Amino acid sequence: NAGVTQTPKFQVLKTGQSMTLQCAQDMNHNSMYWYRQDPGMGLRLIYYSASEGTTDKGEVPNGYNVSRLNKREFSLRLESAAPSQTSVYFCASRPGQAGNTIYFGEGSWLTVV
Amino acid sequence: GNSVTQMEGPVTLSEEAFLTINCTYTATGYPSLFWYVQYPGEGLQLLLKATKADDKGSNKGFEATYRKETTSFHLEKGSVQVSDSAVYFCALVGSGNTPLVFGKGTRLSVIA
Repeated sequence: NAGVTQTPKFQVLKTGQSMTLQCAQDMNHNSMYWYRQDPGMGLRLIYYSASEGTTDKGEVPNGYNVSRLNKREFSLRLESAAPSQTSVYFCASRPGQAGNTIYFGEGSWLTVV
Repeated sequence: GNSVTQMEGPVTLSEEAFLTINCTYTATGYPSLFWYVQYPGEGLQLLLKATKADDKGSNKGFEATYRKETTSFHLEKGSVQVSDSAVYFCALVGSGNTPLVFGKGTRLSVIA
């Protein structure tokens, strides 16, 4: 049981390059999320998908796009990376009901130089 | 909107000391409350949760009670170990299918 799997785990990008972070869950969860974690800031929500076919902006969506490809997969794209996007990115999923536990992937460390 | 405020760290304790990490929240309706733990280089793991007022969540010696009257969910452990060194996040999810909102995290270091 893999849970939430995200790739890549580490990536270094040059300013202006694009890349996609992939996330997949095998728990048949309805809701999926992308967070970024920065020192002293906790986790901030970038985008989320409450159910297959829907996506919504979170607290810090600028510079990102997402795709809910199917129920399992939720990708995060940086079209033109900036140093301010250097962060640790976490994908997460939840069955969809309030109170249900949210499960996290192991994180993707992204550095933009 | 919903928000979580938790005590800022870092917190440094000696082994076997008593731990309290304060967490208060602002939310409409009846949120569910969580504590997550993050060990170095890892993702977040659920530590405990409570879904209604006066519920007590507990796991691995940690406890937290959902206090609606004080809008709090303080994390406690009677005797910490070196292995408890980690970052602890308080979080809530509001009614309906809304995303989890996190506090900024509290780093705990336990020294032998």
